[in-house]
Amino acid sequence: QKEVEQDPGPLSVPEGAIVSLNCTYSNSAFQYFMWYRQYSRKGPELLMYTYSSGNKEDGRFTAQVDKSSKYISLFIRDSQPSDSATYLCAMSALENNNDMRFGAGTRLTVKP
Amino acid sequence: DSGVTQTPKHLITATGQRVTLRCSPRSGDLSVYWYQQSLDQGLQFLIQYYNGEERAKGNILERFSAQQFPDLHSELNLSSLELGDSALYFCASSLDRLQTGELFFGEGSRLTVL
Repeated sequence: QKEVEQDPGPLSVPEGAIVSLNCTYSNSAFQYFMWYRQYSRKGPELLMYTYSSGNKEDGRFTAQVDKSSKYISLFIRDSQPSDSATYLCAMSALENNNDMRFGAGTRLTVKP
Repeated sequence: DSGVTQTPKHLITATGQRVTLRCSPRSGDLSVYWYQQSLDQGLQFLIQYYNGEERAKGNILERFSAQQFPDLHSELNLSSLELGDSALYFCASSLDRLQTGELFFGEGSRLTVL
């Protein structure tokens, strides 16, 4: 079993839809949780960062962490074609980037 | 633009060959990380350097090596290449080795081994 599981999709939604992206993990020591967005032919870029459990909102994006279920989510409201990308979850147990574990990424397409 | 520069963008070579991938981190960043991204494995951490010194090793094969130079640029050397080494290789940088979360990634070097 992989430490971090993420459905690769692809996921296709119409413009304006609410998108839910999820990851599960097995290592209960993870306490730093990130979502990266990767456009085609580009490197990943940090989208959201949360520590421990709870919600964090940034514009149309909301990250949720449920440590009891070892489950994290990213919600995108009013999705736009420009949101079409691959979304990777990442998590770390230590305050140290080299400990970070990435999910395989979910490819999202938002159709106009 | 993340500020991280990787060259070459694309590389095609044959099995058994050796290649060098180059990375210039963001101005001021002291940590450089190398990742391998393949379709079935996702992003795999290979190695980290901080201010010229190796700090951490991940799933890096013995055929691979890296170094960070005094000007902070880094090179990843891949030798005795195999078909399975075909992947995207990303370099990322951060200011501090203990800064969690935000890695700044380059656009990657796509390696194809034929």
